[in-house]
Amino acid sequence: DTGVSQDPRHKITKRGQNVTFRCDPISEHNRLYWYRQTLGQGPEFLTYFQNEAQLEKSRLLSDRFSAERPKGSFSTLEIQRTEQGDSAMYLCASSLTGGRQPQHFGDGTRLSIL
Amino acid sequence: AQRVTQPEKLLSVFKGAPVELKCNYSYSGSPELFWYVQYSRQRLQLLLRHISRESIKGFTADLNKGETSFHLKKPFAQEEDSAMYYCALVTQGGSEKLVFGKGTKLTVNP
Repeated sequence: DTGVSQDPRHKITKRGQNVTFRCDPISEHNRLYWYRQTLGQGPEFLTYFQNEAQLEKSRLLSDRFSAERPKGSFSTLEIQRTEQGDSAMYLCASSLTGGRQPQHFGDGTRLSIL
Repeated sequence: AQRVTQPEKLLSVFKGAPVELKCNYSYSGSPELFWYVQYSRQRLQLLLRHISRESIKGFTADLNKGETSFHLKKPFAQEEDSAMYYCALVTQGGSEKLVFGKGTKLTVNP
């Protein structure tokens, strides 16, 4: 198992464009998380899936953001009409369920808005 | 409110010296704390979990509920310990999301 996989590693786009990121969790993990990390900060929670159900969203997740996890496997995070402030590292993590299991992180997708 | 504070943004020590990375937390529920580490050009990875009470790469951390602290310690730092260290608490119930501190960059000089 290669661990959590994220694609692409880097994305450069112009302001106003839409972008989509993909995360493939560890295969037996049914929990999947998205975090955002900006310079000088620790990762901040965005949203969480238990299997295919999106069960919690942070107030950081504006209506321009949408996440899906069809069939409870990979997940996508889409940002519409990107803004300068969306520039950040987007991290995906997965874990087993129950007992506050450790989360395993991917390498992240670095988004740069021109 | 859930909050993790790492007061030192940067910490520099010499090889062989003891090192302590400070972490304080605020959480109304039953706390569970982790230390994550990110080496240069690598992904964030779990270093320690307080309930495991184990030593990883010579690092230990004890949860002090009275002082609401979870400091990371190593008696003799090595150059390969140079990395970014994040303290995090995991919320109880529901998503069990991680709440991270801002991180401490540790540099171990030869």
